[in-house]
Amino acid sequence: GEDVEQSLFLSVREGDSSVINCTYTDSSSTYLYWYKQEPGAGLQLLTYIFSNMDMKQDQRLTVLLNKKDKHLSLRIADTQTGDSAIYFCAEKTGANNLFFGTGTRLTVIP
Amino acid sequence: ETGVTQTPRHLVMGMTNKKSLKCEQHLGHNAMYWYKQSAKKPLELMFVYNFKEQTENNSVPSRFSPECPNSSHLFLHLHTLQPEDSALYLCASTHPAAGRTGELFFGEGSRLTVL
Repeated sequence: GEDVEQSLFLSVREGDSSVINCTYTDSSSTYLYWYKQEPGAGLQLLTYIFSNMDMKQDQRLTVLLNKKDKHLSLRIADTQTGDSAIYFCAEKTGANNLFFGTGTRLTVIP
Repeated sequence: ETGVTQTPRHLVMGMTNKKSLKCEQHLGHNAMYWYKQSAKKPLELMFVYNFKEQTENNSVPSRFSPECPNSSHLFLHLHTLQPEDSALYLCASTHPAAGRTGELFFGEGSRLTVL
């Protein structure tokens, strides 16, 4: 079955880069996603990458996909205190069902 | 504001109570989902409805009973719950049309505490 793994916590200093990693098991994934959850809120789509791409950049965000190793990462440049949140990795397989990891709680230290 | 509204935001119930969670979306989507969010665990897919028909039941205990009367509304009926069912229950919707990225739009969740 689908299995998406992430580390639970990450702390970085304000202004540094953050790198959040994720591994997944289903090689037939079509899209891979990063969602952000701020305190007291639901998840919001941050960015996504199609499975035939290996990199996508969107302003401060860089997504890297290593399909051979089934590894996805999210890099946030110049991390700000407003970036403190839980970041979920997710994969889409088959029908429109998304499978998520545990989420990584990013804490930005001023 | 994502266009997906969940009520109530917080619910405390005893193990013998019957309660319901409600989800409503005005995005014109045809697929709706219930997810369970527990600390340190993956976000857990519970139920999926496409065009009001249940297409996924991810081995959820029968004390959770979903209902989808139309494409805009989704309920989760709760009965005889256990303390380990305490969690944040998230509703989401999407448009399942082919060619779309399948982005899910989430509500803010209903925080359930079972005493």
